[in-house]
Amino acid sequence: NAGVMQNPRHLVRRRGQEARLRCSPMKGHSHVYWYRQLPEEGLKFMVYLQKENIIDESGMPKERFSAEFPKEGPSILRIQQVVRGDSAAYFCASSLNQYDIQYFGAGTRLSVL
Amino acid sequence: KQEVTQIPAALSVPEGENLVLNCSFTDSAIYNLQWFRQDPGKGLTSLLLIQSSQREQTSGRLNASLDKSSGRSTLYIAASQPGDSATYLCAVPTGGSEKLVFGKGTKLTVNP
Repeated sequence: NAGVMQNPRHLVRRRGQEARLRCSPMKGHSHVYWYRQLPEEGLKFMVYLQKENIIDESGMPKERFSAEFPKEGPSILRIQQVVRGDSAAYFCASSLNQYDIQYFGAGTRLSVL
Repeated sequence: KQEVTQIPAALSVPEGENLVLNCSFTDSAIYNLQWFRQDPGKGLTSLLLIQSSQREQTSGRLNASLDKSSGRSTLYIAASQPGDSATYLCAVPTGGSEKLVFGKGTKLTVNP
């Protein structure tokens, strides 16, 4: 039973490009969470999704960031027109039920040049 | 607004020592608390989950306690080993929801 899979592990983008981060939850999990860890900061919640629905996006920046979790395929966190301040580690977690343990992936480290 | 504080920020101990990591949270209306381990450049590994109805949880050399009323949790590591070197994170759900609020972590170094 594979864990939460995130890819790519490392992503380098130039300012103004788009970044797409993918997350495949654990088998059987339909709840996905995205967190961001800025350098020297703690992890901060970004968005919570269930299949085809955004449940809570209170931690998402108002512009340039979007997330989806389609019926088929992985969850995608999309960052348009990246800026240097977007450089961070982005972690995805999944859970079986809404208030269950969240299992984390290895993260995607985004570097914006 | 839930806030989580971890003390100390860093800790260096010789191998074999028993140690305690501290976590405090401002909103005691939580339904669980989770301790994680994060290795450099890696993801998070869940160590222990304590439900609000529990006082403590044990896994091997790790023991976590929870005092909801005082807003505190401790992670006790017995007979520390160099392989325990990592950053330990404490996290609680916020406001009855599922989103986790994390502390900044305690960076532990166990010296051989």
